[in-house]
Amino acid sequence: SYELTQPPSVSVSPGQTASITCSGDTLGSKYACWYQQKPGQSPVVVIYQDTKRPAGIPERFSGSNSGNTATLTISGTQAMDEADYYCQAWDSSTVVFGGGTKLTVL
Amino acid sequence: QVQLVQSGAEVKKPGASVKVSCKASGYTFSNYYIHWVRQAPGQRLEWMGIINPSGGSTTYAQKLQGRVTMTRDTSASTVYVELSSLRSEDSAVYYCAKDGVLGVNDYGDQNYFAAWGQGTLVTVSS
Repeated sequence: SYELTQPPSVSVSPGQTASITCSGDTLGSKYACWYQQKPGQSPVVVIYQDTKRPAGIPERFSGSNSGNTATLTISGTQAMDEADYYCQAWDSSTVVFGGGTKLTVL
Repeated sequence: QVQLVQSGAEVKKPGASVKVSCKASGYTFSNYYIHWVRQAPGQRLEWMGIINPSGGSTTYAQKLQGRVTMTRDTSASTVYVELSSLRSEDSAVYYCAKDGVLGVNDYGDQNYFAAWGQGTLVTVSS
């Protein structure tokens, strides 16, 4: 079955750029999405279809997808961005999620 | 605005069944797929399946085939997920999620989860 692999944790200083990767076989040939989940809350989409940002999501969130890796980039990271981030893609009409990355802003 | 309101927490014994509801509002119910996703404590999100609110057709995750049933009541703009033969590993928060792509003729790579319900905690314990 298809798998998406994320680093368990990423740390960043406030104001710096955070990059979270998601790896999967030929992931670049599929659309990747990213969801932010804060403790005790439901997930929120921050990037869909590789690079699109939903209304209300700050411009500091951006996405890219090429080869075997999709990347979520948060520029000028703020304390409020501390959360778990999950990547997601489709494979054979089935949704697959990555294992999640805990972003710590310190 | 789009809202998905789910039913309350459930406690079930192993072997029993559970049915969770998700009432949609703020958009045309029949025009967007609804997904069900669950998350066990400390675990990744797990997709359970998708339902077409217009025609009622469904696709389930292979892992849950035979135990999961998704239905809808168009008059109430509500979708349901029922899971049978519950085991401890089914203890999780269950979410419904509205798709972000307009149209229910087909789904695939372009589809994503645009709005989520508040989640329903299901606990399976003897």
